[in-house]
Amino acid sequence: DAKTTQPNSMESNEEEPVHLPCNHSTISGTDYIHWYRQLPSQGPEYVIHGLTSNVNNRMASLAIAEDRKSSTLILHRATLRDAAVYYCILRPMIYNQGGKLIFGQGTELSVKP
Amino acid sequence: NAGVTQTPKFRVLKTGQSMTLLCAQDMNHEYMYWYRQDPGMGLRLIHYSVGEGTTAKGEVPDGYNVSRLKKQNFLLGLESAAPSQTSVYFCATAIGGAPADTQYFGPGTRLTVL
Repeated sequence: DAKTTQPNSMESNEEEPVHLPCNHSTISGTDYIHWYRQLPSQGPEYVIHGLTSNVNNRMASLAIAEDRKSSTLILHRATLRDAAVYYCILRPMIYNQGGKLIFGQGTELSVKP
Repeated sequence: NAGVTQTPKFRVLKTGQSMTLLCAQDMNHEYMYWYRQDPGMGLRLIHYSVGEGTTAKGEVPDGYNVSRLKKQNFLLGLESAAPSQTSVYFCATAIGGAPADTQYFGPGTRLTVL
């Protein structure tokens, strides 16, 4: 399984944009890039995913490097509720493994008022 | 819709006791998963199911058994609990196992084994 590398922690100020990086230099051409986040004392929740092109949804944007060896999750205006651990996860095009998610350590984002 | 629910929310066991954790979903999803999360770590997959009546081992299956007799329920059993099984357990569901499919997680069960 391809590995991802994320900073252990990041800080942001409320209402400012946040760029959470993820390196995945061993990504294969068919691996999807997923982001999940885990708020304190809750289960993880889906944020966004992409394959090659940049993606936007109501929660965030995902910017994928042209060579796909890195990606960045962008929160356009951080709020206190965005304080969470953010996980960058690669999902391969292998259907016989049950679609499991392989979680790394993630990035703990703290948001200051 | 309740989504994914887990029962119980908290439990304290003594070493050697048994218990069953219940995951229930009302989203009609085929795939269901059990993960555990130890302090300061990411989630690790215990067992999963790709449909009613099927189960498969994940990354850390030892000491656990599972059953999926009904599509909406996925049970995780601990036959003889050990302190190493102290953890937070999360259930998740997905419509399928495709790389673009999203997993939906329950709120977790916090288990302490003394």
